[in-house]
Amino acid sequence: GENVEQHPSTLSVQEGDSAVIKCTYSDSASNYFPWYKQELGKRPQLIIDIRSNVGEKKDQRIAVTLNKTAKHFSLHITETQPEDSAVYFCAGSGNTGKLIFGQGTTLQVKP
Amino acid sequence: ETGVTQSPTHLIKTRGQQVTLRCSSQSGHNTVSWYQQALGQGPQFIFQYYREEENGRGNFPPRFSGLQFPNYSSELNVNALELDDSALYLCASSLPGTGDEQYFGPGTRLTVT
Repeated sequence: GENVEQHPSTLSVQEGDSAVIKCTYSDSASNYFPWYKQELGKRPQLIIDIRSNVGEKKDQRIAVTLNKTAKHFSLHITETQPEDSAVYFCAGSGNTGKLIFGQGTTLQVKP
Repeated sequence: ETGVTQSPTHLIKTRGQQVTLRCSSQSGHNTVSWYQQALGQGPQFIFQYYREEENGRGNFPPRFSGLQFPNYSSELNVNALELDDSALYLCASSLPGTGDEQYFGPGTRLTVT
């Protein structure tokens, strides 16, 4: 069935370092891959997304890459700041609009 | 913050009871999806409504049901509550024509005792 695996489950970096979170998906029909940031007690917030016709997308300090052949995609955060600390979720969906989420990565940025 | 709102914020129910959760989508969004997020896990898709019709369902039993109204707001109803139904219930709305970009509401925290 449809599945999205996310790694690592926890990630601790020093302020200013880069952070990378990786996800793999199983459904070949998946064509949309968003990333959400969820702070404690708050709603998931869409931070960046990528569609299957694009290999990479950047938005300031955040970038996402997609390898359709290998069925994996990654989130890259450069120059991390303490306010980047949160739980990050990757997700995938096909034409149904149903988002399948990964298990989440707790990112801690140490000042 | 998005324009998606949910009510109530928190709810405590007893096992076997029924509950109704509400969601108002962002202006112009005609698609609403509901997700269940257990503590420490990613959201799980319950179902989606588009123009008042159910448009896809996840692996949830029939005691989870929903409605969408002409103004695109939506309800999630859960009958015969079980302890495992304790979770954060999130709704997300989508703009027509933008594919799958979904924007979440703040959620309703349901506790079943």
